[in-house]
Amino acid sequence: KQEVTQIPAALSVPEGENLVLNCSFTDSAIYNLQWFRQDPGKGLTSLLLIQSSQREQTSGRLNASLDKSSGRSTLYIAASQPGDSATYLCAVNDYKLSFGAGTTVTVRA
Amino acid sequence: ETGVTQTPRHLVMGMTNKKSLKCEQHLGHNAMYWYKQSAKKPLELMFVYNFKEQTENNSVPSRFSPECPNSSHLFLHLHTLQPEDSALYLCASSQTRGASLGELFFGEGSRLTVL
Repeated sequence: KQEVTQIPAALSVPEGENLVLNCSFTDSAIYNLQWFRQDPGKGLTSLLLIQSSQREQTSGRLNASLDKSSGRSTLYIAASQPGDSATYLCAVNDYKLSFGAGTTVTVRA
Repeated sequence: ETGVTQTPRHLVMGMTNKKSLKCEQHLGHNAMYWYKQSAKKPLELMFVYNFKEQTENNSVPSRFSPECPNSSHLFLHLHTLQPEDSALYLCASSQTRGASLGELFFGEGSRLTVL
């Protein structure tokens, strides 16, 4: 059974600092991986979808890397802003989608 | 309306009540999902529908009864729930599923409180 882990569970940084969020998974036979953002009490918003054949995917200040063989993905958020405060979840697709518990980020003004 | 819409956003019910959650997607997707999100736990997949047919039921108790009348609408009928069923229930949709699963689009969720 696929296990998805996100460490740390919470992170607090000053505005302007770069964010590095980690996601690890136990079974490397995946088709793709998605990163989501969730604001308190709201649904999830897809940020980036990275296919198993890709090493990275970029959208604006966001960059996601994927190292399938080592079972890791990293989400980088450059020059963080208070509006980036949210919970970030990764989900791994090995035919079924398995979610991590998320990293809650607070960006201090 | 665009995206995935869920109603109601908040629901309080007693253990003997019967209520329903509704989800509608305006994206032309073929697959729809119900997820349960409890505090400090990963999202739990409950049901998957593909082209109106149920393709997954992850050992969900029978007090939760899904219904998918067409590819755009999904319901979750609730009856004789327990307090531990209190959670955020999220509906999602995607164009495809399985190995070719693309982006997953979520609704805002229905916050359920069982007294």
